[in-house]
Order: sequence, then C-alpha cells, then structure tokens
Amino acid sequence: EVQVVESGGGLVQPGGSLRLSCAASGFTFSSYWMHWVRQAPGKGLVWVSRINSDGSSTSYADSVKGRFTISRDNAKYTLYLQMNSLRADDTAVYYCAREVIVRGVSAMDVWGQGTTVTVSS
Amino acid sequence: DIQMTQSPSSLSVSVGDRVTITCRASQSISSSLNWYQQKPGKAPKVLISAASSLQSGVPSRFSGSGSGTDFTLTISSLQPEDFATYYCHQSYSTFWTFGQGTKVEIK
Repeated sequence: EVQVVESGGGLVQPGGSLRLSCAASGFTFSSYWMHWVRQAPGKGLVWVSRINSDGSSTSYADSVKGRFTISRDNAKYTLYLQMNSLRADDTAVYYCAREVIVRGVSAMDVWGQGTTVTVSS
Repeated sequence: DIQMTQSPSSLSVSVGDRVTITCRASQSISSSLNWYQQKPGKAPKVLISAASSLQSGVPSRFSGSGSGTDFTLTISSLQPEDFATYYCHQSYSTFWTFGQGTKVEIK
C-alpha cells in the first residue's frame, strides 16, 4: 500500500523547535518530490515547503523561510521538517504529501494523516 | 504570489443536486489547477488534476473545466458522501497556493 505517515508533532513553547518526520512506504521514495502542507485550526490549506527527489533543491513559503528546513533521507524513506523559532501562528496540522505529475501539471496525490503542532506557553 | 479565490465559500444543497464551485486565479495559470476534497479530521484527497483530469478511483460525477484564470468543479448529482470542503490549488508558480475552500453542507 502506498502511504506516508507523519510523526513528531506536539506542544512546544514559542521560540522552540520541533522536527517532524514523514515515513514513506509502498513506492520508490527517491523518485518523487515531496511537500509539507499545513492547516491551522478551522482554516484552509497552506503550502509550506517542497524538496526535489534527491534533496538538492528546496523551496519555502515566505512565512517559514529562514525558520524551517526541509530535508530527506532516501535510504530511510523519510522526509523531515525542522522547525525553529516557532510562533503561535505556526500552530497547525502538518501534512506530508507526494507530488505527482499529470499531463505536465504537478499535484499532490498521496497525503498522510497529519501531525499536530501546537505552539503555546 | 498567485491568489486563488473560490466561490461560494459555502453552500447548502440536497442529495441529487448539481453543484458548481468556481475558482479564479489572480493571473493566468494555464491548466495548472487541481481540486481536492477534504472531510472533517481527514487529509485532503485529490479529485481532479490539470484542470480536467479525473484521478483514478474518483466517481465520474465529478468534473473540472477551465484554463487561464477561471476554473470550475462540477458535481453532477451530489451524493451523501460528497458533503465536504473543496479546495482548488495552483501548481503553476514556484510557490503553490490554495483557494480558501468551499464547504458543501446538507440543506
């Protein structure tokens, strides 16, 4: 079964750090670009970051640039998101998602169940 | 960043109704538009990619159309399992963006 499973969420104080993990299975992880998307409580989806298949290229939303770092270990079939200098507005469910290309257009076809990050004192 | 605006934000409909949701991009995104369905407490699920390509396993009552800046998601005959929130998503630019969502509720 093709799936991704996030972990590592929790309660952290403002200014703190957290590292999220996303374990992939059922597909050749090293062949796919991967993304993090977040959703604040009661709000919509927000794209956070992407990484290419070999980890050599990354992109970030302006809201997290300089604070978050995406990385991957293809040997371990795992995607990471290192989150530093966390703020209350980073509170959200964080989803890991696989990118697929359909007719030349990128989409996210496999999503995890999400891991919840709460930033609060 | 490219702004994606969905309308309406919510709608109350009955089983069997035809539902149309629109999504407008702040600039042309060609056909780089995807639609997702999200149910409460669950991850999003991709329904349509590249504006009009139905993902495998998605019922044929779902369809998408449009290009450039204006796009539409249509559900031809709403089923009970279709009550959910729907999001459009552009993957044209480096920085991806989503619409604010359209919540489809039971009338």
